[in-house]
Amino acid sequence: QVQLQESGPGLVKPSETLSLTCTVSGGSISGYYWSWIRQPPGKGLEWIGYIYYSGSTNYNPSLRSRVTISVDTSKNQFSLKLSSVTAADTAVYYCARHIFCSSSFCNDAFDIWGQGTMVTVSP
Amino acid sequence: SSELTQDPAVSVALGQTVRITCQGDSLRKYYASWYQQKPGQAPILVIYGKNNRPSGIPDRFSGSSSGNTASLTITGAQAEDEADYYCNSRDTSGNHRVFGGGTKLTVL
Repeated sequence: QVQLQESGPGLVKPSETLSLTCTVSGGSISGYYWSWIRQPPGKGLEWIGYIYYSGSTNYNPSLRSRVTISVDTSKNQFSLKLSSVTAADTAVYYCARHIFCSSSFCNDAFDIWGQGTMVTVSP
Repeated sequence: SSELTQDPAVSVALGQTVRITCQGDSLRKYYASWYQQKPGQAPILVIYGKNNRPSGIPDRFSGSSSGNTASLTITGAQAEDEADYYCNSRDTSGNHRVFGGGTKLTVL
């Protein structure tokens, strides 16, 4: 079965760039959409953005100026970069497979999630 | 504030039925998906589309939608259903995804 695993530094300094990678195992990254989602401690979920295996992206408008999501199909990985981080970016970051549809009243959901990785922004 | 609104907390007696709701204008045009999250764990998908359950999700979980409100119903709640529940759908532009603020379900 498909599994996702996030990896990257657990501590990032303010003003620097947060970089995470999600490795897809047990299946191909091709043919699917893939999302990043985060959750600050004690708070709710926030969608960051998605990427299609071909490279097209869509970002949360509140984060768009700082976010870049990329894909490497040869490694079966996709990545997140969040620039100019502050303490407000401290969160558990999840990657997820995105069942995607663009029309009304259709199936759209995040069906497989990674276990999440905690990233703390601190000097 | 989120474009999808959920009650912060709901409680249900063991074995009874509970409905968790999610309100938002975009729900007049798009289905919600629902996620269960237990402490220290990643969310899992429990309902998506009109009323679809992924493999392994008990049939006591069901979904429905009317107007600007999507609902997750648990018929015969079990102790293991105690968790946070989040809805997800589109924002009002239809171009981006947004989560509700979450509902903490307590099973008494």
